[in-house]
Amino acid sequence: GAGVSQSPSNKVTEKGKDVELRCDPISGHTALYWYRQSLGQGLEFLIYFQGNSAPDKSGLPSDRFSAERTGGSVSTLTIQRTQQEDSAVYLCASSLQLGITGGYTFGSGTRLTVV
Amino acid sequence: QQPVQSPQAVILREGEDAVINCSSSKALYSVHWYRQKHGEAPVFLMILLKGGEQKGHEKISASFNEKKQQSSLYLTASQLSYSGTYFCGTEQGGSEKLVFGKGTKLTVNP
Repeated sequence: GAGVSQSPSNKVTEKGKDVELRCDPISGHTALYWYRQSLGQGLEFLIYFQGNSAPDKSGLPSDRFSAERTGGSVSTLTIQRTQQEDSAVYLCASSLQLGITGGYTFGSGTRLTVV
Repeated sequence: QQPVQSPQAVILREGEDAVINCSSSKALYSVHWYRQKHGEAPVFLMILLKGGEQKGHEKISASFNEKKQQSSLYLTASQLSYSGTYFCGTEQGGSEKLVFGKGTKLTVNP
């Protein structure tokens, strides 16, 4: 597609429920990233996929968080047993080759609210 | 390790200049700058690679001092459209992922 697409744009869930957030990167972009942005905070790295390599999961805050990328394209971030502190905007970004051709292209994000 | 940005916030009148700094305690492979307007996604401005090359984008330019592990973003003759939060993202040791600072909120008033 022309840009990075994320869905849903907004999600309100009850504490303890599971949620799935979807990211559709720019076609041909081999790298895909998930970040989290809490109110007034910077961008917190969660996970990074590059081609067929094993993902870099070093930023996932707990084992309730997981992500997969199917067919080198669409990615899903899953949060199990959601907690109120999980409330944030979840941003997905993709890039062709970081540092060489440029930077990230971000999606518009999913605003997650846990009540 | 998260880079440190300064100042945290700056208020300008249209036409004034500003400098935003980004420093890291780790050796940097590259530094990226992004601007985020309220309620929108961050937008890529420019990348600085090792070598100290200064890059420019309209009236916005940046420098990268790899010895000091610092980068600065220069906004000259600011326009109302420059308002937003500016983030630096640092790539450490060829990790191919960015660690972002907490951001600098820039407000340009008429």
